[in-house]
Amino acid sequence: AQSVAQPEDQVNVAEGNPLTVKCTYSVSGNPYLFWYVQYPNRGLQFLLKYITGDNLVKGSYGFEAEFNKSQTSFHLKKPSALVSDSALYFCAVRDGDYGGATNKLIFGTGTLLAVQP
Amino acid sequence: DTGVSQDPRHKITKRGQNVTFRCDPISEHNRLYWYRQTLGQGPEFLTYFQNEAQLEKSRLLSDRFSAERPKGSFSTLEIQRTEQGDSAMYLCASSSFTSGGAIVAEQFFGPGTRLTVL
Repeated sequence: AQSVAQPEDQVNVAEGNPLTVKCTYSVSGNPYLFWYVQYPNRGLQFLLKYITGDNLVKGSYGFEAEFNKSQTSFHLKKPSALVSDSALYFCAVRDGDYGGATNKLIFGTGTLLAVQP
Repeated sequence: DTGVSQDPRHKITKRGQNVTFRCDPISEHNRLYWYRQTLGQGPEFLTYFQNEAQLEKSRLLSDRFSAERPKGSFSTLEIQRTEQGDSAMYLCASSSFTSGGAIVAEQFFGPGTRLTVL
């Protein structure tokens, strides 16, 4: 069964410092991986995705993520955090080898990022 | 605004009543998804459509839940005989798909409908 783990409920970082939000996954085939951000009272906004190719993926707002197949991880990173990055971040996976029959995303429980000024 | 829209944004109902939510996807998107999100959890998949065909349903989707997308455009999600456990945020998302395409398109989410069952 597909699953996603976000081991940290909350990550605190000072503005200007680098940030990492962790994600590990489990799928039976090759994973399609996504990061979304959720601001209060708003829907999820797409940040970036990994489908195939280069393990380092660049996305919106200066975020990037590194796919590591051996560690089954897809950690979200940003070199310099902003106060405005404070939000709830979700990692999601789709099983790319499930015969193309499913398109559902399996989400982690989310990590609250708090950036202090 | 050309994003995914959902109506209503908030719904308060009494236990046992029926409720219906509407989702209007991005106009050129032929795939539409429904998810449910409870406090402290990530969204959970409920069902998805490709055009008007409902291609997958989660086991979470009990017989009290039904979804339609009659013309392959907007979709409705109906919950009959609501229970307090149905209280959640109901999210709609859409994505594009082209037959034979190798690109996996991301899903774009609407703002959600927050349901409270008293």
